[in-house]
Amino acid sequence: DQQVKQNSPSLSVQEGRISILNCDYTNSMFDYFLWYKKYPAEGPTFLISISSIKDKNEDGRFTVFLNKSAKHLSLHIVPSQPGDSAVYFCAASAQAGKSTFGDGTTLTVKP
Amino acid sequence: NAGVMQNPRHLVRRRGQEARLRCSPMKGHSHVYWYRQLPEEGLKFMVYLQKENIIDESGMPKERFSAEFPKEGPSILRIQQVVRGDSAAYFCASSPGAGVITDTQYFGPGTRLTVL
Repeated sequence: DQQVKQNSPSLSVQEGRISILNCDYTNSMFDYFLWYKKYPAEGPTFLISISSIKDKNEDGRFTVFLNKSAKHLSLHIVPSQPGDSAVYFCAASAQAGKSTFGDGTTLTVKP
Repeated sequence: NAGVMQNPRHLVRRRGQEARLRCSPMKGHSHVYWYRQLPEEGLKFMVYLQKENIIDESGMPKERFSAEFPKEGPSILRIQQVVRGDSAAYFCASSPGAGVITDTQYFGPGTRLTVL
């Protein structure tokens, strides 16, 4: 039973365009959501988070949107840059310390 | 300011041997978390520890796996009598530790365990 799902294993976009990464969850107890970025042979790096009391959080080129009724969140990267090419993980928490991760989406930004 | 350190980065063991994975949290961090990543999958939570305490071990297999975070020294994830299915990347993360849901976890580079 996978509680956090990233249905697109990969995404390819052109440099300068928008990248939209999607994530769905099933556990209504989740109330804190995070996105991580991961390069090969490295650990995940925290990107941005959102609490369930919000529907949008923005940090520079990165914006996370949360639709609680649909149990869906998305990460928008605008404009996309080649250095953004990595695996992006969505994660959700219902309690301190324990995050449930999706399987990741590999983003490729083409110059 | 050094980040989360994990060693070894790569570990090869034969079936039946023991594997010990070490994690030194960031300076000032008192909370440690262990995750496992199988190929083509996301990270799976294993255990959450504070100094000398296990807070949540709901993701730990019931047998062969144990974790500790002593008062002094690194956190240790120990796998006894390894089997091929234990081959994975094991990531450690740490946080400053207010013990709240919004604590940001900072990840180490991982230990890649291969069981022959």
